[in-house]
Amino acid sequence: EIVLTQFPATLSVSPGERATLSCRASQSISSNLAWYQQKPGQSPRLLMYDASTRATGLPARLSGSGSGTEFTLTISSLQSEDFAVYYCQQYNDWPFTFGPGTKVDLK
Amino acid sequence: EVQLVESGGGLVQPGGSLRLSCAASGFSFKTTAMHWVRQAPGKALEYVSAISSDGARTYYGNSVKDRFTVSRDNFKNTLYLQMGSLRPEDMAVYFCTTWNGKYSDSWGQGTLVTVSS
Repeated sequence: EIVLTQFPATLSVSPGERATLSCRASQSISSNLAWYQQKPGQSPRLLMYDASTRATGLPARLSGSGSGTEFTLTISSLQSEDFAVYYCQQYNDWPFTFGPGTKVDLK
Repeated sequence: EVQLVESGGGLVQPGGSLRLSCAASGFSFKTTAMHWVRQAPGKALEYVSAISSDGARTYYGNSVKDRFTVSRDNFKNTLYLQMGSLRPEDMAVYFCTTWNGKYSDSWGQGTLVTVSS
């Protein structure tokens, strides 16, 4: 089973600042990585797939990069609606797996 | 608009069984593969099971293999998860999701399963 590690566990950011979230896979997953956002009491929402492709309707301030084992989700200028937990997920091999999440909160 | 509505959650004793349902609408259910994903309270997400669009292929996470069974009724546009030999660690919110072969692009709101005596 492929293990995903996310860091930091918590990221404290001020509105307007840049946020960089990292995800590392225990073995190469090519670009088979998605990012999801989850707010309290809500179901996850797809943000990014194939490591760097934004889901429909997502703002350009979100970007993804990486391949192999190292991946990054960047939010260039944090807005109030961006405070949430972010999960990476690999779909290279079954069982698909999620990382433990990074919580982005208000500094 | 894609709608996924889970139901069937509730309180069950350890060792018991429960069947979850997910009613789908707003898309072609019969041509869409589906997933079940769960989230224990305050914990991360975990893939539970997947099923192909025709139901011929199923996949299970290691923690539920041989205890859970996924199925679907393409005439009723409904996905099911039959859960057996339930353990306290199975307590979670269970989400159904559409699956395009890669990632989960649409999610339901989830149904809570509580395993406790």
